[in-house]
Amino acid sequence: DVKVTQSSRYLVKRTGEKVFLECVQDMDHENMFWYRQDPGLGLRLIYFSYDVKMKEKGDIPEGYSVSREKKERFSLILESASTNQTSMYLCASSRDGTDTQYFGPGTRLTVL
Amino acid sequence: QKEVEQNSGPLSVPEGAIASLNCTYSDRGSQSFFWYRQYSGKSPELIMSIYSNGDKEDGRFTAQLNKASQYVSLLIRDSQPSDSATYLCAVVLMDSNYQLIWGAGTKLIIKP
Repeated sequence: DVKVTQSSRYLVKRTGEKVFLECVQDMDHENMFWYRQDPGLGLRLIYFSYDVKMKEKGDIPEGYSVSREKKERFSLILESASTNQTSMYLCASSRDGTDTQYFGPGTRLTVL
Repeated sequence: QKEVEQNSGPLSVPEGAIASLNCTYSDRGSQSFFWYRQYSGKSPELIMSIYSNGDKEDGRFTAQLNKASQYVSLLIRDSQPSDSATYLCAVVLMDSNYQLIWGAGTKLIIKP
């Protein structure tokens, strides 16, 4: 079974803090993704990566950066957290671009 | 603008009946289609994938794809209260190897 894990289930941070969300997959998948999900807005892609050290912007990259130094690990960084970044953050991985995406359990981030 | 559209619901179905969920997409060249189920507070999990026109059955679930009409549907037979969830439709864009375009989801309620 594919397993995608995320570093925290719940996180509370203050405005202006730097926030790191980490995602690890154990199936040697090439592609990894970061989404945020908000009520009524569905899943929105922040960044994705198709290889180590490679990254592509998604639909809403502003205020975020990512890092993929190892194939199994994809980190999302909020350089200076703001209240409008309060959301559910979901990491996913897939074998290739047309394949099923498998999701981690999600991190519910609250920025105060 | 590439789009995937779903009726947000809620769709209320009696226990034991057939639940029918529909999804339309705008990219005529799309080749890969997915249905995910998401329980409240949880991450999406794959129900079915479908790549060819016609029906694909897996237990109580049947996915139907009609590329000419650009719609994909999910039928759930013998609906159970445990099927109550939000169902997300996702489509891979023809001109991108990596991005899924997600519908906003249909909330399904199975009434005992």
